[in-house]
Amino acid sequence: AQTVTQSQPEMSVQEAETVTLSCTYDTSESDYYLFWYKQPPSRQMILVIRQEAYKQQNATENRFSVNFQKAAKSFSLKISDSQLGDAAMYFCAYRNPTSGTYKYIFGTGTRLKVLA
Amino acid sequence: DTGVSQDPRHKITKRGQNVTFRCDPISEHNRLYWYRQTLGQGPEFLTYFQNEAQLEKSRLLSDRFSAERPKGSFSTLEIQRTEQGDSAMYLCASRSPSGGSSYNEQFFGPGTRLTVL
Repeated sequence: AQTVTQSQPEMSVQEAETVTLSCTYDTSESDYYLFWYKQPPSRQMILVIRQEAYKQQNATENRFSVNFQKAAKSFSLKISDSQLGDAAMYFCAYRNPTSGTYKYIFGTGTRLKVLA
Repeated sequence: DTGVSQDPRHKITKRGQNVTFRCDPISEHNRLYWYRQTLGQGPEFLTYFQNEAQLEKSRLLSDRFSAERPKGSFSTLEIQRTEQGDSAMYLCASRSPSGGSSYNEQFFGPGTRLTVL
């Protein structure tokens, strides 16, 4: 069965600095999608960035980028120039390609605190 | 596009009572998901609808849980004879039909937080 592991329950970063959140996963599939979602306090989850496993190039969205290491089954999120609004729970998610439902398997999350 | 909405946002009930939650997906999205998120955990998949058909149910969905999507639009999740272990955030998400740049993305609602006393 596929699993997603986020080993950092909580991280802190100084405003304007860079932070990296870790995610590892286990799968025997070769084609799949990975996602990072942000869940602010009492607000809905929103997509931060996604990566297609067949693409070697790491995805980038403004201040957010990923380091996708397929062989190591690692998918870390780098947030540059951290802002107070980045404070939230961050979830790594794997999309099961063999299930026609495209359901997600989530990690346990990392709480990011941004210090002013 | 007003996003995915869920009602109620909070529900407090006594053990043994029945509760029902509603989810309204993004209007053109024909795929709908329910997840459960307990404290300190990530969301866990409960069930999936494509249009009005319920195509997959997790083993987490015991016989006390039932979900419907009668006309392929909004969905309801009912929990009968609630137990304290049912206390969680229930999240709904929707996804667009095939094609389009957001095809692979699920859009989440704000969730319904259930507390069973």
